[in-house]
Amino acid sequence: QSALTQPASVSGSPGQSITISCTGTSSDVGGYNYVSWYQQHPGKAPKLMIYEVSNRPSGVPDRFSGSKSGNTASLTISGLQAEDEADYYCSSYTSSSTLERVFGGGTKLTVL
Amino acid sequence: EVQLVESGGGLVQPGRSLRLSCAASGFTFDDYAMHWVRQAPGKGLEWVSGISWNSGSIGYADSVKGRFTISRDNAKNSLYLQMNSLRAEDTALYYCAAAVAGYFDYWGQGTLVTVSS
Repeated sequence: QSALTQPASVSGSPGQSITISCTGTSSDVGGYNYVSWYQQHPGKAPKLMIYEVSNRPSGVPDRFSGSKSGNTASLTISGLQAEDEADYYCSSYTSSSTLERVFGGGTKLTVL
Repeated sequence: EVQLVESGGGLVQPGRSLRLSCAASGFTFDDYAMHWVRQAPGKGLEWVSGISWNSGSIGYADSVKGRFTISRDNAKNSLYLQMNSLRAEDTALYYCAAAVAGYFDYWGQGTLVTVSS
């Protein structure tokens, strides 16, 4: 049950694009298309932003996109806006059980 | 409107027990697996436990296995977490979350558990 690996922080200026990586193993990220991404503002509950690697729930701007290559998934935010400043977490299904999930350590996004 | 409302948190001494509850509304509760996810102060998210829609499958993180018990009552649209032998490292905000597939669709606002003497 090792956590997925994310960079501790990333930053970008308004209008720019950033990418957050999420590295796991063939037993989680690489083995299944059940990678999801969550946005968390300070003092708030996490919010689903991307599910099943690259799908956006209704209401999430298309500036948010997801992808995966091998054991690494990525979240890209284009056209950065001030309100995108938040913590972002990836999560994956794992092979340990049908219910077990694993999270990344989280990435603090700063909009300069 | 989907709502998940956690309750039962508080200050508890090490070694004691606490039972968390999560009341669900606004969606078909028994269509969803339910999970507990916690977040220690200033730290990241940690999956704690999950239960399938019919309680037929249950899973726990190694850090709580043997001490915590998850359960649900579909008639009451409620999820529970019985936490025994609590440790200081269990101090966290505990969220309940609903998952129709491999991701968490809905989250509650959390209930704070503080384990301290």
